[in-house]
Amino acid sequence: SQELEQSPQSLIVQEGKNLTINCTSSKTLYGLYWYKQKYGEGLIFLMMLQKGGEEKSHEKITAKLDEKKQQSSLHITASQPSHAGIYLCGADHGRSQGAQKLVFGQGTRLTINP
Amino acid sequence: DTGVSQNPRHKITKRGQNVTFRCDPISEHNRLYWYRQTLGQGPEFLTYFQNEAQLEKSRLLSDRFSAERPKGSFSTLEIQRTEQGDSAMYLCASSRLLRQALHSPLHFGNGTRLTVT
Repeated sequence: SQELEQSPQSLIVQEGKNLTINCTSSKTLYGLYWYKQKYGEGLIFLMMLQKGGEEKSHEKITAKLDEKKQQSSLHITASQPSHAGIYLCGADHGRSQGAQKLVFGQGTRLTINP
Repeated sequence: DTGVSQNPRHKITKRGQNVTFRCDPISEHNRLYWYRQTLGQGPEFLTYFQNEAQLEKSRLLSDRFSAERPKGSFSTLEIQRTEQGDSAMYLCASSRLLRQALHSPLHFGNGTRLTVT
């Protein structure tokens, strides 16, 4: 079973629209990481959240971690073609004693239509 | 900061052959990780090093897999007697331990895509 569930699995939005991707864990998160991946390439780090209720923004992307530290959301405002790709959340469940052994969701494939 | 470098980018091999991949982490990063990603899935942890010491291996890492980081810099991942199920993207990542239990985010390379025919 997946320890980390992402929804939706794929998303098609019109350029300029807002969108939200969710990441849910059945266990408390000690750290939640958002990455973006272009097809066939490596992962690009976006943001890291560690505290309950934490919110971070970079350009048009905002990530939040809920107070219970079991759910995170990634929100993109006024989407652009450059936002297209696969978004992955990765969780540190705190079992790895300081190692960053992340468990990843299955990813959300985002397509931006002009 | 030149990023994490992985070679080769693509490898096609026949079943039963041995393959070796190389990863060069960001120079000041003392931690190095290997992950495997199959199509449509997120990466799965395989193993990690702190400096030259291999501190943890996943159950996914069968005895046909071996990883080394001999001088605490670059790392190699070898797969012996490859099987079709080994076909995947092998990703390397590195991070810097800032202080106890606080570390920088993982920085990933572009991966090596292995196809076993």
